[in-house]
Amino acid sequence: KAGVTQTPRYLIKTRGQQVTLSCSPISGHRSVSWYQQTPGQGLQFLFEYFSETQRNKGNFPGRFSGRQFSNSRSEMNVSTLELGDSALYLCASSPGREQETQYFGPGTRLLVL
Amino acid sequence: DAKTTQPTSMDCAEGRAANLPCNHSTISGNEYVYWYRQIHSQGPQYIIHGLKNNETNEMASLIITEDRKSSTLILPHATLRDTAVYYCIVRARDNYGQNFVFGPGTRLSVLP
Repeated sequence: KAGVTQTPRYLIKTRGQQVTLSCSPISGHRSVSWYQQTPGQGLQFLFEYFSETQRNKGNFPGRFSGRQFSNSRSEMNVSTLELGDSALYLCASSPGREQETQYFGPGTRLLVL
Repeated sequence: DAKTTQPTSMDCAEGRAANLPCNHSTISGNEYVYWYRQIHSQGPQYIIHGLKNNETNEMASLIITEDRKSSTLILPHATLRDTAVYYCIVRARDNYGQNFVFGPGTRLSVLP
């Protein structure tokens, strides 16, 4: 099976702009989680979607949002970008059943100038 | 907060076994121990997980103490490509409201 794919892999934006990142889960997986990784804070959970519904949410401001489509693909959006939003954004998928092992994609590296 | 504690860093000679410890003294009965690793700037890679029995797969072995308060990930013959940050995570099965909480992990350096 193909792994989790994320697009784009690299992105440069300026403060105040917004950005949309995309994630395609492993075929058959219905749960998609998003994480932010920065040198200072490490890997932090953003939110999780299952069957197009947000099932869990981390402690991030409302500028961070996401959605999931009927084919389980997911997008996350960050509005009004700040310098501190520069990070590696990781997507992970899992079947959504009892076996909750998450499989991560390669990430999208976002640089905010 | 992460429910596990791991050494900040470890070194291992190439070809030797790498033994990475993890303390999870507050683990609950329904929580699994998961191990992931992250090679520089890549997405975390799943390695192995277990509940109470020792587990082995093509990548590693997981040894969980009888009281489940600690575990050890064993890479039997470490190679330079095993240099990475290794994360030990405890997480309940069937708890859809709980996300993976990553701590700082252990930075393993495999030396030639």
